[in-house]
Formats: sequence, C-alpha cells, structure tokens
Amino acid sequence: AQSVTQLGSHVSVSEGALVLLRCNYSSSVPPYLFWYVQYPNQGLQLLLKYTSAATLVKGINGFEAEFKKSETSFHLTKPSAHMRDAAEYFCAVSVGNNNDMRFGAGTRLTVKP
Amino acid sequence: NAGVTQTPKFQVLKTGQSMTLQCAQDMNHNSMYWYRQDPGMGLRLIYYSASEGTTDKGEVPNGYNVSRLNKREFSLRLESAAPSQTSVYFCASSKYRDRAYEQYFGPGTRLTVT
Repeated sequence: AQSVTQLGSHVSVSEGALVLLRCNYSSSVPPYLFWYVQYPNQGLQLLLKYTSAATLVKGINGFEAEFKKSETSFHLTKPSAHMRDAAEYFCAVSVGNNNDMRFGAGTRLTVKP
Repeated sequence: NAGVTQTPKFQVLKTGQSMTLQCAQDMNHNSMYWYRQDPGMGLRLIYYSASEGTTDKGEVPNGYNVSRLNKREFSLRLESAAPSQTSVYFCASSKYRDRAYEQYFGPGTRLTVT
C-alpha cells in the first residue's frame, strides 16, 4: 500500500524566509501526490497536486513542489513566508484511479514576525 | 454553493451513547469519505462511498457504520461511543480532475467522548 512520511512535525520560520516542508512517499506504482493546507478550525484545502504531467508543480498562495522519483520525495516550498501561511500542512498520496488517499501526519508551520 | 457541510460542529457524548454525524455536498460528486483526525496521526479513512448505494471500509472502520442516503448525503454513526473515538471527524467528497481525484473537505465535527 502507498504511504507518505512527513519529516518534522513542526517547522518555524521568520516572515520573508524560505519555507521548506518535507514529504517522502512509498508506492509500488507511480503515485499521485498532493499537498493540503489546514487553517485553524477549518477543513483541508488543496494546495497543489502532482499527476505525472510535470515534475515541478505550482499551487495556490505561491507554493510549489517538485517530484523527485530518485529521492521518492515531494517537498513543498515557498520562497518568502507570510504570516498568513501559518497553518498545518499535509502531504498525501493516491495511486492510479483508486481514490483511496493516504495522508501524512502533518507539519505545523509557524511564521515569526 | 456551500461545498461540503457537516453537522454538528461540536458534540460531547458519554461512553455508550450513540449519535449520527451528518454530511452533505452540493457539488454533484459521486465519491464521499469519512476521516478522523488525531494529533500526530494525520487523517485516517474510516469509510468511503464510491457512488450512491455503495460503501467500503477504510483504514479504521471498527466502531462505526455509514449510510449513503443519496448522492448528496453520507452519514457516520457511532452505535456505542468509546473514549477512543474522541477525535475530529471530517467528511469529504471528490471529483476526478486532471488524472486524479481531488478531495474537498467539510469544516469538521469535534467529538468528545467522556
């Protein structure tokens, strides 16, 4: 079965600094990969997804992620953090047409002024 | 267009009580899901319904039942609540877009079982 591991349950950056949230996946078949964001007391919102069309994927709010097969990684980045980026971020994986999605444990991003 | 709605937002139960969490979506999606979210564990799938009239177990189905009442509604029932079921419950629906299913989430139900 497919799975994802998010490295670091909590990441803290200063406003304007680079954001890097790490995600590694495990899958026996080519995966589809997703990043979701959860703001306090809300449900999850899709940030971006990888479906094999392009290895560098751009999402909403200035985030992007790069699929690296050799490293089985799909790390999320943003060049310059903003206070409004403070939230919990989840990496997720699904395979083929199966809509069974598996989520990572989440990374809480704190942005310091 | 309200998206995915869930009721109630908060609930406190005593051990052994039963309750039903309601979920509805107005996006005409075929697939719907119930997840639970626990600290440090991400979201875990309880049950899903690929289409009206079908339901399947997910990763953690024990202690729960579901009903896909129609295309819009998917309810989750706890027959005899236990403290281990204290969690935040999310309903989601999905649509197939650009080769993959994208999931859309409700705001959640925070359940405490004492």
